[in-house]
Amino acid sequence: QQQVKQSPQSLIVQKGGISIINCAYENTAFDYFPWYQQFPGKGPALLIAIRPDVSEKKEGRFTISFNKSAKQFSLHIMDSQPGDSATYFCAASGMAKLSFGAGTTVTVRA
Amino acid sequence: EAEVAQSPRYKITEKSQAVAFWCDPISGHATLYWYRQILGQGPELLVQFQDESVVDDSQLPKDRFSAERLKGVDSTLKIQPAELGDSAMYLCASSNSRGGVAQYFGPGTRLLVL
Repeated sequence: QQQVKQSPQSLIVQKGGISIINCAYENTAFDYFPWYQQFPGKGPALLIAIRPDVSEKKEGRFTISFNKSAKQFSLHIMDSQPGDSATYFCAASGMAKLSFGAGTTVTVRA
Repeated sequence: EAEVAQSPRYKITEKSQAVAFWCDPISGHATLYWYRQILGQGPELLVQFQDESVVDDSQLPKDRFSAERLKGVDSTLKIQPAELGDSAMYLCASSNSRGGVAQYFGPGTRLLVL
């Protein structure tokens, strides 16, 4: 049973465009929501994270938007670059356990 | 920048053989996690340690998998005997708090069982 549902499975964006990845959860005990970036053959790297008492967090070109009432959160990649091509995982933490979404493969076309 | 170390990076073995993976977490991180990631999916937790104690191994197939962290620092994950379905990436992560916050992953061990 997947506790975090992620969409889309993949997306293609032109260089300079905006990539948007959405996640939804059911467990209201989750209290920490990180996003990870993973390149082929590498381990996931922590990209940005948010807690449910904040509606938005921005770090450089990456922004998390959080809607606590809807139990949804999303990652926005602004000004997408070819180097952003990777698989992105949302996750949710509660009771000391991290549950991952299924991942979104982002391809940025030059 | 401190990193989680894992070895080997790649392992090819035949079914029914034993394999072992090693992880050295970021210095000072008390919490250590082992995950399994099947190609095209997100990581799934196998076992969580707090210092040398197992906190959660509910998803660890205990008939063939074992994990230890004897001195509360580095850790070993073992599979015996390996099965074809064990082919996956095995990831180690560490955190400096009891909660699941800010977990940092190593490069992983890619296992192929033939």
